[in-house]
Amino acid sequence: TQLLEQSPQFLSIQEGENLTVYCNSSSVFSSLQWYRQEPGEGPVLLVTVVTGGEVKKLKRLTFQFGDARKDSSLHITAAQPGDTGLYLCAGISPGGGADGLTFGKGTHLIIQP
Amino acid sequence: EPEVTQTPSHQVTQMGQEVILRCVPISNHLYFYWYRQILGQKVEFLVSFYNNEISEKSEIFDDQFSVERPDGSNFTLKIRSTKLEDSAMYFCASSEDQRYEQFFGPGTRLTVL
Repeated sequence: TQLLEQSPQFLSIQEGENLTVYCNSSSVFSSLQWYRQEPGEGPVLLVTVVTGGEVKKLKRLTFQFGDARKDSSLHITAAQPGDTGLYLCAGISPGGGADGLTFGKGTHLIIQP
Repeated sequence: EPEVTQTPSHQVTQMGQEVILRCVPISNHLYFYWYRQILGQKVEFLVSFYNNEISEKSEIFDDQFSVERPDGSNFTLKIRSTKLEDSAMYFCASSEDQRYEQFFGPGTRLTVL
């Protein structure tokens, strides 16, 4: 069984600060997706990382896939209150996605004005 | 932008009743999925569906559950005899290929009384 561990589980910081959240596993994934989920809504895809060592940027968000494709990080620069939300990582196993995405429990992020 | 839609947004039912949750995946996608999220817990894979048959299912997806693509657009999840522990958010997702990112619908909140 593949597991994804996200840390920290909760993070509350002031507007303008930088932060990094992590998504770790002992298993290899063929790709990892990062989603953002608002209360009572479905996960919204932010980015997919596929290649080991890959870095993708989405405005102030930087996503990195570990070289061994077992872990990923999300770095937010100059966080804003609009970044508040639940950030989920989810992986597709090397055998393909027929067995669905494996999700982490998420990081609850609060950016205080 | 194409999106996955789900109906109803909220379903309340009595224990032992049958419910059908409906989804319209993105039109050119070929792979369809159901996930559930019990309140406060992580998103869990239920089943994947391709070419009019189940590709994979998790241990959660027991004989009480079934899926169907009754026409060219809808994808349904049926729970034959609901239990209290079936109360959760149910998300439908679709993808062009099982190796690619999945796009989620807004979810159906199922409450079993």
